[in-house]
Amino acid sequence: AQSVTQLGSHVSVSEGALVLLRCNYSSSVPPYLFWYVQYPNQGLQLLLKYTTGATLVKGINGFEAEFKKSETSFHLTKPSAHMSDAAEYFCAVSAPNTGNQFYFGTGTSLTVIP
Amino acid sequence: ETGVTQSPTHLIKTRGQQVTLRCSSQSGHNTVSWYQQALGQGPQFIFQYYREEENGRGNFPPRFSGLQFPNYSSELNVNALELDDSALYLCASSLWTDSYEQYFGPGTRLTVT
Repeated sequence: AQSVTQLGSHVSVSEGALVLLRCNYSSSVPPYLFWYVQYPNQGLQLLLKYTTGATLVKGINGFEAEFKKSETSFHLTKPSAHMSDAAEYFCAVSAPNTGNQFYFGTGTSLTVIP
Repeated sequence: ETGVTQSPTHLIKTRGQQVTLRCSSQSGHNTVSWYQQALGQGPQFIFQYYREEENGRGNFPPRFSGLQFPNYSSELNVNALELDDSALYLCASSLWTDSYEQYFGPGTRLTVT
């Protein structure tokens, strides 16, 4: 079975500061991991994904995440926050060959302070 | 390339009624997944359709049912609506061979009163 825990339902950072959103997962098989962003009244947009290969993955809008198997983590970072980064962020896990059902965390709301 | 579209955008229903939500897949995609996102929560997997058959189901009762059509579009039907069914319903399409590449539609906001 797969599950995701996102630590911190609300995170506030100053504009230009480092963004760090935490995600820990549980999976009985090597997982696929994802970060999605959701703006108000919109659907989910894929930021980045890890399937296999390089554990540091880069996504859109300057975000990146590192898969750490030993820590069962997939934290999302961005060196310098922009006002436009304010949104809800969801971490998700999927397992290959299981129909690729996604299991989402409860989300982290990012506020960027000018 | 046309993205995932959903209709209607918003819907208000009364407890006990039935509702049908619609989803058109992204061009070339043959798999559709449905998710329920309650306010303040992450999306929860309802079920997935491939080749017009249900392929995997989350922890949702049978009053949640679906269809997939030959053109890969899909419907989500919910019978005997309950207040807790109020949520954003998201549809995601993908290729069966690359189902981890799921593309989400904007969702349908269902309010049950």
